[in-house]
Amino acid sequence: DAKTTQPNSMESNEEEPVHLPCNHSTISGTDYIHWYRQLPSQGPEYVIHGLTSNVNNRMASLAIAEDRKSSTLILHRATLRDAAVYYCILRDEGYGGSQGNLIFGKGTKLSVKP
Amino acid sequence: DSGVTQTPKHLITATGQRVTLRCSPRSGDLSVYWYQQSLDQGLQFLIQYYNGEERAKGNILERFSAQQFPDLHSELNLSSLELGDSALYFCASSPGLGLQETQYFGPGTRLLVL
Repeated sequence: DAKTTQPNSMESNEEEPVHLPCNHSTISGTDYIHWYRQLPSQGPEYVIHGLTSNVNNRMASLAIAEDRKSSTLILHRATLRDAAVYYCILRDEGYGGSQGNLIFGKGTKLSVKP
Repeated sequence: DSGVTQTPKHLITATGQRVTLRCSPRSGDLSVYWYQQSLDQGLQFLIQYYNGEERAKGNILERFSAQQFPDLHSELNLSSLELGDSALYFCASSPGLGLQETQYFGPGTRLLVL
C-alpha cells in the first residue's frame, strides 16, 4: 500500500496557483518524496522530488514540512494542460520489497477551469 | 516524448492466449520497470530489471514473466490470459538504481482480453 494520503480531487482556475497537499506521517529519514502526474491517456510523468529542503524546477515547487510528515506540490500558474492525476510517492530502499520502486496510490485528480 | 517506446500500442486477444509486450528504454538507461494500470487496481508496479538482471518484484502474477535482453530492451510475457488482465501496461526506464532518479514512462500498451 502507498504510504501517502492525498485528497481525491481538487479544482483550480486557470492561471491561478494550485497547492496539492500530501500527508506522509510515517516517512523515514531516508525516504525521498517524489511527485508524478498522469495526463489523460498518457503514461505518468515526473514532476519533482525532494528529501528535506524545498525544491523548485521549471514545472513546479515542492514545499516540505520541517518534520517531513507532509509536503505540498505548488503549481504557480495552472494551465488547462495541468489537468491530470497527481501522485505523491515515497521512495525508500527497502519499502515493501519494492526496493525503491514507485508505489502509486490513488493520487489527486486536478481539474482546471478556464 | 519520454524516449521510451512500447509496442504494440493496442492488443486485442482472447482468454487463454499468450502475448508479448515490448519496451525499448531511453538510450543509456539500464533500469527497466513494468507497471499495470487497471480501473480497479490503479497503477501497480510489476517488476524491475537492471542491466539484464531481475532487481525487484511487485504484484506480478505467476502467469506473467519478463526479461531484459543484452541490448537492454525488455519484454513482458503474459500467458493464460484472463478477462481481468485487460489493462494498460506501462514500461519505464531510468539510468540506474538511485532513489533520486527519475523514471521515464512510455506511452503504454492497451491490452484487451475478450
